[in-house]
Amino acid sequence: GESVGLHLPTLSVQEGDNSIINCAYSNSASDYFIWYKQESGKGPQFIIDIRSNMDKRQGQRVTVLLNKTVKHLSLQIAATQPGDSAVYFCAETLKAAGNKLTFGGGTRVLVKP
Amino acid sequence: DARVTQTPRHKVTEMGQEVTMRCQPILGHNTVFWYRQTMMQGLELLAYFRNRAPLDDSGMPKDRFSAEMPDATLATLKIQPSEPRDSAVYFCASGLLTGANTGELFFGEGSRLTVL
Repeated sequence: GESVGLHLPTLSVQEGDNSIINCAYSNSASDYFIWYKQESGKGPQFIIDIRSNMDKRQGQRVTVLLNKTVKHLSLQIAATQPGDSAVYFCAETLKAAGNKLTFGGGTRVLVKP
Repeated sequence: DARVTQTPRHKVTEMGQEVTMRCQPILGHNTVFWYRQTMMQGLELLAYFRNRAPLDDSGMPKDRFSAEMPDATLATLKIQPSEPRDSAVYFCASGLLTGANTGELFFGEGSRLTVL
């Protein structure tokens, strides 16, 4: 597969517990934010997005929180499952810059049974 | 099931050789991105296209890398000559991105390049 073996911060979480993954973004002008999940050997996959005029958005088992004051984004996963083990990336974009999508450094989540 | 297709999935080559990676974006998508993923740098944006026109290739080493979209169904990333530091996984992603809809990107499975 395409496992890159990234040197990343790792979050270990017990199956069934909630996970919180944090991300600091760089551009205060960014107007759209996305969380991606990358499983070993695969390309990143869209999880959830949020626009800059919102501070919270919920999906199925996932919630994204946006704090523009401190340029912070978080992803909460409820009742974490083994299938949630992956690397999670936040990404930011700016429509005025042609929707150029820039990724953060990533966090590895390991779910312990 | 629409998907972004990348070829080759794996490529091992020797330093100095030319490498061409290909990407077939999802039909109807107007934006194509090339990213490089390495152990140290995470996901780096190399270049991206809107309606086949290059929008930004500032992330790409110009002396050896080139990216093109000969038509709407094919994007290419070429490295000539390749160097060991180019070893990485190269991802192509496509999306339907408009002024009103920032949309989501769909990634291919990646091309793992090893330059010896």
